[in-house]
Amino acid sequence: GENVEQHPSTLSVQEGDSAVIKCTYSDSASNYFPWYKQELGKGPQLIIDIRSNVGEKKDQRIAVTLNKTAKHFSLHITETQPEDSAVYFCAETRYGGSQGNLIFGKGTKLSVKP
Amino acid sequence: DTGVSQDPRHKITKRGQNVTFRCDPISEHNRLYWYRQTLGQGPEFLTYFQNEAQLEKSRLLSDRFSAERPKGSFSTLEIQRTEQGDSAMYLCASSLDSGDEQFFGPGTRLTVL
Repeated sequence: GENVEQHPSTLSVQEGDSAVIKCTYSDSASNYFPWYKQELGKGPQLIIDIRSNVGEKKDQRIAVTLNKTAKHFSLHITETQPEDSAVYFCAETRYGGSQGNLIFGKGTKLSVKP
Repeated sequence: DTGVSQDPRHKITKRGQNVTFRCDPISEHNRLYWYRQTLGQGPEFLTYFQNEAQLEKSRLLSDRFSAERPKGSFSTLEIQRTEQGDSAMYLCASSLDSGDEQFFGPGTRLTVL
């Protein structure tokens, strides 16, 4: 069945360091891969996404890479700041036809120490 | 604020009671999704609407759960005869259409005593 594995489950870094979170998926037909940031008591916030026709996308300090052959994608955060502390979720889906529900990983709790 | 809104934000109920949650999507978004999130887990898909049509339901959506989107705008999720296992955060998301980004609301946290 469909599933997304996300690693690590917790990540602690010093302010200014980089953080990398990795996800693997099983459905080779998946073509959309968003990343969400969730702070305590709030809903998930979309921070970046990538579609299957590109291998990398960057937005300021955040980047996502996609390897379709290996079926994995990663979130890279550079120059981390304390306000980056949150739970990050990867997700995937196959857009097209009637599909569209996101399949989420179990999340990574990122702690950025000042 | 033009984001997705949900009401109520918190609901405490006794086992066996019925509860109803409301979601107001971003204006002109045709797709509306419901997800459930338990502690320490990612959101899990429940159901979604394309305008007023309910197109897909997860096997998580037992017959005690029903969702509507009568006019293709706001949606309601009702849980009948609540059980302690229903305790979770219920999240609503909307997207302009199929293939577009999904934006989440703040969620409704349900506690069943």
